[in-house]
Amino acid sequence: SQELEQSPQSLIVQEGKNLTINCTSSKTLYGLYWYKQKYGEGLIFLMMLQKGGEEKSHEKITAKLDEKKQQSSLHITASQPSHAGIYLCGAYMDSNYQLIWGAGTKLIIKP
Amino acid sequence: EAGVAQSPRYKIIEKRQSVAFWCNPISGHATLYWYQQILGQGPKLLIQFQNNGVVDDSQLPKDRFSAERLKGVDSTLKIQPAKLEDSAVYLCASSRTGAPGDTQYFGPGTRLTVL
Repeated sequence: SQELEQSPQSLIVQEGKNLTINCTSSKTLYGLYWYKQKYGEGLIFLMMLQKGGEEKSHEKITAKLDEKKQQSSLHITASQPSHAGIYLCGAYMDSNYQLIWGAGTKLIIKP
Repeated sequence: EAGVAQSPRYKIIEKRQSVAFWCNPISGHATLYWYQQILGQGPKLLIQFQNNGVVDDSQLPKDRFSAERLKGVDSTLKIQPAKLEDSAVYLCASSRTGAPGDTQYFGPGTRLTVL
């Protein structure tokens, strides 16, 4: 089973609508990263969260880490075609120095 | 600041052939990572270098995969011989120190197709 679960697996949203992607673990997350990937290409760093309850925003994208540090959400406001792609979360768990990854959420924006 | 460079971007080979990928990390970054990403999955770490030493290669299939970072800067990943299941995107990333909390920056990847 995946240590880091992302939901939904895929999402089709009308342009201009808001959306939320979740990343959940049964373990405490020590550093939670959000990346965006265009199909078959490299990952682009979006944000990193470390503290319980932390929230960061960049342009129309907001990411939060819950107080228990076991779940993060990525919220996009007023979606645009440029937001389309695959969103991946990655996290350090326990004292393991290896970044564990979710399987990704594929986002399609309908014009 | 220049990003992580990778080449080639695409490669198509027959099974049992060999292939090599090259990565040049961001200048000054001590840690370099090679990941394998199969379609529809998250990246899987193959090997992590700290300068020119290996930190973690526990998931590298050592019977066919090898990697080196001789001068602690650029790195090469080789597959010999390739199998059909090696078809994937190979991602290189680098970070300043490699410590948790340090951000990894990725190159554009090499898409490998094994026929």
